[in-house]
Amino acid sequence: GDSVTQMEGPVTLSEEAFLTINCTYTATGYPSLFWYVQYPGEGLQLLLKATKADDKGSNKGFEATYRKETTSFHLEKGSVQVSDSAVYFCALMGVRGSQGNLIFGKGTKLSVKP
Amino acid sequence: KAGVTQTPRYLIKTRGQQVTLSCSPISGHRSVSWYQQTPGQGLQFLFEYFSETQRNKGNFPGRFSGRQFSNSRSEMNVSTLELGDSALYLCASSLDSPRNQPQHFGDGTRLSIL
Repeated sequence: GDSVTQMEGPVTLSEEAFLTINCTYTATGYPSLFWYVQYPGEGLQLLLKATKADDKGSNKGFEATYRKETTSFHLEKGSVQVSDSAVYFCALMGVRGSQGNLIFGKGTKLSVKP
Repeated sequence: KAGVTQTPRYLIKTRGQQVTLSCSPISGHRSVSWYQQTPGQGLQFLFEYFSETQRNKGNFPGRFSGRQFSNSRSEMNVSTLELGDSALYLCASSLDSPRNQPQHFGDGTRLSIL
């Protein structure tokens, strides 16, 4: 079945450092891909998405490019801030079936130190 | 515009009891999905409701059930609670099919089983 694998955390960075969180997927066809962020004590917020190969999703300085050839959707940010500390989830929505549900990776906890 | 509201935020139950969680979607949203989040299993899809009908169901035992009312509010019920049911339960709503519309998550109900 469909699945998402993302790098294990936690990831600890200094403020203004470059961030990469790796995400790869297994799915039939061309799923839609997402990054969600979860701040402490809160639910999930959609950070960005891409719905077809070579699409680049971007939001709040974060970017991810849908790479069909490597089945990847890595999250990047050029300069992280303390306020970016959160748990990041990569997710896909498969093409099978008519309704759709999200399949999530295990999450990567990011801590940014001042 | 109010977001997705889940009540209660915290709940403590004992093994064998049953529990009902509530989710009020964003006004106008007709689809409601439920997810379970645990440290071990991560985020897993429970079910999705649209216009009072369950359209999609994850791989959970029959102790987990749900329903949706005519105003799109949804409830999920867990009977004969087990220690392993301790989790954060997240509700997400979307205008129509989550395949076509972004999902908006609530802050969740944290259920603890003693």
